[in-house]
Amino acid sequence: GENVEQHPSTLSVQEGDSAVIKCTYSDSASNYFPWYKQELGKRPQLIIDIRSNVGEKKDQRIAVTLNKTAKHFSLHITETQPEDSAVYFCAASIGFGNNDMRFGAGTRLTVKP
Amino acid sequence: NAGVTQTPKFQVLKTGQSMTLQCAQDMNHNSMYWYRQDPGMGLRLIYYSASEGTTDKGEVPNGYNVSRLNKREFSLRLESAAPSQTSVYFCASSPQSGANVLTFGAGSRLTVL
Repeated sequence: GENVEQHPSTLSVQEGDSAVIKCTYSDSASNYFPWYKQELGKRPQLIIDIRSNVGEKKDQRIAVTLNKTAKHFSLHITETQPEDSAVYFCAASIGFGNNDMRFGAGTRLTVKP
Repeated sequence: NAGVTQTPKFQVLKTGQSMTLQCAQDMNHNSMYWYRQDPGMGLRLIYYSASEGTTDKGEVPNGYNVSRLNKREFSLRLESAAPSQTSVYFCASSPQSGANVLTFGAGSRLTVL
């Protein structure tokens, strides 16, 4: 079945630095790749997503890149701020109908002021 | 707009007891989902309902049942709770099934002793 691997599991950066989180997936039929941010004790919330027909998408300080050939996608956060501290989850749609989603195990990002 | 509302927020059960988690959305979404979140394992899909009147198993359905009561409501039932079902449960909804943005509820923390 589909397997989504996410690395690293923890990441600590200084405020202003960039952070990169990487995910790999195994299902060639996957065509939707969202990223969710979960602050402590809160619900996951979508921050950016990408579909398989594009290779990169940006939204202010956040960008996602997708390499379908290699089956990996990455989240890039530039000019990090303390409020970026949270757990980030990648996900990939799976199955012929893409009705299911597999999530990575999460990356705990800490931005030090 | 309340979005996705789930109850209860916290529950402690003894092994063998039963309970139902309730979820309701007011966004006129067609699809609803139940996930569980365990440390280091991301979010895993238990069951989903692509549309009113249909339900399907996800990645980890054993020990659970669901009911799509109407378009707004999707409940998750544990018939005989086990300690392995100690987890945080999230209900989510999306406009359509498949590769779509998920809107999550606030979560329900369940402890089975």
